[in-house]
Order: sequence, then C-alpha cells, then structure tokens
Amino acid sequence: GAVVSQHPSWVICKSGTSVKIECRSLDFQATTMFWYRQFPKQSLMLMATSNEGSKATYEQGVEKDKFLINHASLTLSTLTVTSAHPEDSSFYICSASLREGQTDTQYFGPGTRLTVL
Amino acid sequence: QQQVKQSPQSLIVQKGGISIINCAYENTAFDYFPWYQQFPGKGPALLIAIRPDVSEKKEGRFTISFNKSAKQFSLHIMDSQPGDSATYFCAALRHNTDKLIFGTGTRLQVFP
Repeated sequence: GAVVSQHPSWVICKSGTSVKIECRSLDFQATTMFWYRQFPKQSLMLMATSNEGSKATYEQGVEKDKFLINHASLTLSTLTVTSAHPEDSSFYICSASLREGQTDTQYFGPGTRLTVL
Repeated sequence: QQQVKQSPQSLIVQKGGISIINCAYENTAFDYFPWYQQFPGKGPALLIAIRPDVSEKKEGRFTISFNKSAKQFSLHIMDSQPGDSATYFCAALRHNTDKLIFGTGTRLQVFP
C-alpha cells in the first residue's frame, strides 16, 4: 500500500512555456501533499505544502506565482511551473502524507525530471 | 536547530560488510526519525523509522540505533549487498508538525 504516482516522469519544454506535473496517491487519501525539488547529488528541498481545498503554503524563497500548486482532491495535487526557464530544470518530487498510528508518514512519488531548453 | 547533520557523505563497503550511516540533531522537539533510500532517477522510499521511546528498531538487514541523550541516530545495514547501493537520507519530524527535515544524504556503494 501507500503508493504515490507522478506524471509525467520526464518532460522537456521550451523556455517560456508552462509545465504541469500531477501527483496522485493511488491507494489512500492524503489531506496533505508536499512538493520538493532536488538538484543532482543534493538533498530534497521542500518547496510547498499543499492541503486539500486550501491554498498551498510556500517555503521562503519559493515564488508562488511561478510554482502554482492546486490540491483539487484528497488524491490529486498538481504543480505548474509557469514561464519555465533553464534554471527551473530540476528533479521535482511530490509526497503524500498518510496517518499511521501517531505519525503522518510521507510517501514519495517517483519524481519528474524537468528539462527546460 | 532545525538541521539534521548526516555523515559520511559517501561510503564504500564490500559485499557482506556492515554499512553505518550517522545522523545528529539539536531540536529535542523532533519525535519521529525515518530513513529513506533513493536510487538514481527515482523518488525516496521509506526504509525504516523510529520514535525516541525505543533505542533500537530492526527490520530485516536494516537496524536503526537511537541515542536520545546524545541526540544521535544511525542506520546499520548488515550483510550489505550491491543492490543496496543508493543514496540514504535520514530525516526528522517535529512533534505536531508535518515538515520533514532531511539530512544531506549518504551515497553508499557496495562492491562485490
């Protein structure tokens, strides 16, 4: 159980275009989903926390107008990178939170590799 | 105080050996400590996790040792296999919050 999917797994786009990444919890409902960014050989950097039906909470330094997050249902959150530029190229990973006993365990998706030309 | 310090940055172990990765924290409000395993090009996968009310947790070849007074915890991989070659991240979660604080990661290579 506790499977999280992401789509697409990779995407290449031209500079200035927008890209949407979907994150789904397949076998559980997640009230909270998270979006991370990871550069090569580095740790995960939290971008934002997304709660179903409410606005996302962005981490300091993350542009909310550039990285639009929508959490439309308990199983789906989307991240849209607007007007993408080469510096936005990265590995984007979502996670979904599942309540297990006393703990909200985060289960991660397989990631989306974004390359902006 | 929000940091989790992880070492070593990289680790090379022979097949059958023991891999040990260490993490340390400052914030005593952390009360959940998971370890994640990440293969190249993939998302992190939850490996094993511990709460501070126990000093050790074992699942198969993976063991977490937890030292509450020293504010340190470590991952031990017994009988390390080439298939264990991956990057391992320790993390910590503060009580009543949902933000994981990740360590910097350890790249493990197990040679046959």
